[in-house]
Amino acid sequence: DAKTTQPPSMDCAEGRAANLPCNHSTISGNEYVYWYRQIHSQGPQYIIHGLKNNETNEMASLIITEDRKSSTLILPHATLRDTAVYYCIVRRTGANSKLTFGKGITLSVRP
Amino acid sequence: EAEVAQSPRYKITEKSQAVAFWCDPISGHATLYWYRQILGQGPELLVQFQDESVVDDSQLPKDRFSAERLKGVDSTLKIQPAELGDSAMYLCASSLQGQGHYGYTFGSGTRLTVV
Repeated sequence: DAKTTQPPSMDCAEGRAANLPCNHSTISGNEYVYWYRQIHSQGPQYIIHGLKNNETNEMASLIITEDRKSSTLILPHATLRDTAVYYCIVRRTGANSKLTFGKGITLSVRP
Repeated sequence: EAEVAQSPRYKITEKSQAVAFWCDPISGHATLYWYRQILGQGPELLVQFQDESVVDDSQLPKDRFSAERLKGVDSTLKIQPAELGDSAMYLCASSLQGQGHYGYTFGSGTRLTVV
């Protein structure tokens, strides 16, 4: 599976949009981009995933560039509860494909 | 909402002692994973089960770690003997047939401290 690169940390003000970048320049055509987050002392939680089209659900939006070499996770109205480590993961489809985590990006939402 | 249950939530043990963690996946999830997370790092896969069979244990330190899922339902991860470097969060996750994202549900983990 392709590797991802994320900045170590960022912060944003409560109520504002949080835009979390991810670089995956070696992504293959059959690899999806996944985002998970981990709130302190809890297990990771699935947020969203996509292949090449932009995706949106009740938690977030995922914007993938046309060349698929990078993506941005958008939390439209960040709250204090969104403070967490966010992991961008590239993963193939298939029964034995695994979730391989990097260090992620620590998002701090300030009041 | 269905959850992956793990116990204990916290465990403190002396080095060279044996320690065991238990995981009960979501009912019907055939695939079960054990991850280890060292403070400040992302989770690292230790072992993957498909029903009662081990699919991948390439990252499991087999000299001291063992994992089993005898009836293809709940699972136990054991460390014997524990070392100081084993201090970490041990996370269990389950999935439907190992495919797709929807089935990857994590438990809250067991935080192990070896003293």
